[in-house]
This record gives sequence, C-alpha cells and structure tokens, in this order.
Amino acid sequence: TVVTQEPSLTVSPGGTVTLTCASSTGAVTSRNYANWFQQKPGQAPRTLIYSTSNKHSWTPARFSGSLLGGKAALTLSGVQPEDEAEYYCLLDCGPFWVFGGGTKLTVL
Amino acid sequence: EVQLVESGGGLVQPGGSLRLSCAASGFTFSDYWMTWVRQAPGKGLEWVADINLNGRQKRYVDSVNGRFTISRDNAKNSVYLQMDSLRGEDTAVYYCFRGTLEAPGLDYRGQGALVTVSS
Repeated sequence: TVVTQEPSLTVSPGGTVTLTCASSTGAVTSRNYANWFQQKPGQAPRTLIYSTSNKHSWTPARFSGSLLGGKAALTLSGVQPEDEAEYYCLLDCGPFWVFGGGTKLTVL
Repeated sequence: EVQLVESGGGLVQPGGSLRLSCAASGFTFSDYWMTWVRQAPGKGLEWVADINLNGRQKRYVDSVNGRFTISRDNAKNSVYLQMDSLRGEDTAVYYCFRGTLEAPGLDYRGQGALVTVSS
C-alpha cells in the first residue's frame, strides 16, 4: 500500500488550506482511522488528529480532520506563521499502518 | 504526566544487534497499545511495529519482519524493540508512541533514540 500526500502547499497567513491523504488501494474510509502529525525542522513529530477527526488535548482548534472525496483531509483554518511545518498522515491499512510521504506547508 | 523515555540507541556495525527500550510513566501502561516509528536522516516517518495490551499480538512493517522483535513487560512499564541483522537502511531516530484509548491512533511519544548502522 502506498499513501500519497501533496509534496508541498503554500498558504497565506490567516488563510485556509486543506491537505489530503490518499491510499493506493482505494478510497480512504473511517476504517483507515487516519492520523495526522506535524513536524517542525529539528523537532520530533507530534500527533494532531487521530481516528479521522479526533483532536488531542494539545491540538489547536484551527486544525480539523475529515474525509473528503475518498481521501483523508486535514484542514487548517486561520493559518498562523507557526503552522509552517511538514505534515504526515498515517493510515491503518489492515495488517499494518502506513505513513504518507509528507506535505511541506509553507506560510507566506 | 505521561512520559516515554527511549534508551539503547547507538552505533552498530551492519549485521549487528541492538535493543531499544522505552520506559513509560504517568499512566496505566498495560491499558495501551504501544508503537515504534522511525525516521531516517532527512526522510519521512515510517511505522515500524506495534504490540497489543498483553503482548500476544504484534505487527511489523515488511522491511523489518523477521529481523526486529517488539515486546513489552507490563510489570516494568516498558516496551522494547530488539533489532537483529541490522542494515544501513535501518539508520534512523526511533520513537516509541503510546496508542490512543478511544479509537485507533497514536498520542504521546518519547524523545527518540538514534540508531546508526555503519562500519
């Protein structure tokens, strides 16, 4: 299974952007329990979203997860400069989990 | 406060072995799945293995299956990753993650342990 994300996206401060996560085996569903991670340069990754749309206690309210057009999606609303980072999705693909290649989000 | 502390990383020659440990505190360890994730230098994240509550169900990514063994000791609040027949491509920072309770996923992670496979 290959999990595909946009390699890079650019968004203006205060704007909204949606990152997506697709599976080579077909539509992503709630049974893929999509997780989303944020990683800033030189830092360890941190989890933002689990099981498609659930937030952790530390997840800023401007981050939300959903299913969109057969893909998992991470939407950032009211983007802040500190949101510039690499974002990874993780899907449960049955016998094991698979990470996407990551999306580099630039806030410009 | 939930804490996960990895140890056991280091430099090892190709073909060698290393055992990573992840010591947990601040929560009831035996209630949670545990997972290892790695990141090679300059690369993305890779899910490596996970283990269920009693240690009887284990899953591995194909690239490490048969070479790595995940285990846990609930009495010691620790999860381990025994890595044998190490290769250069196993060079990475290895993170242990706690699974979420309510639904499949990951939440807290350790600071990471660097494993370097080189002669």
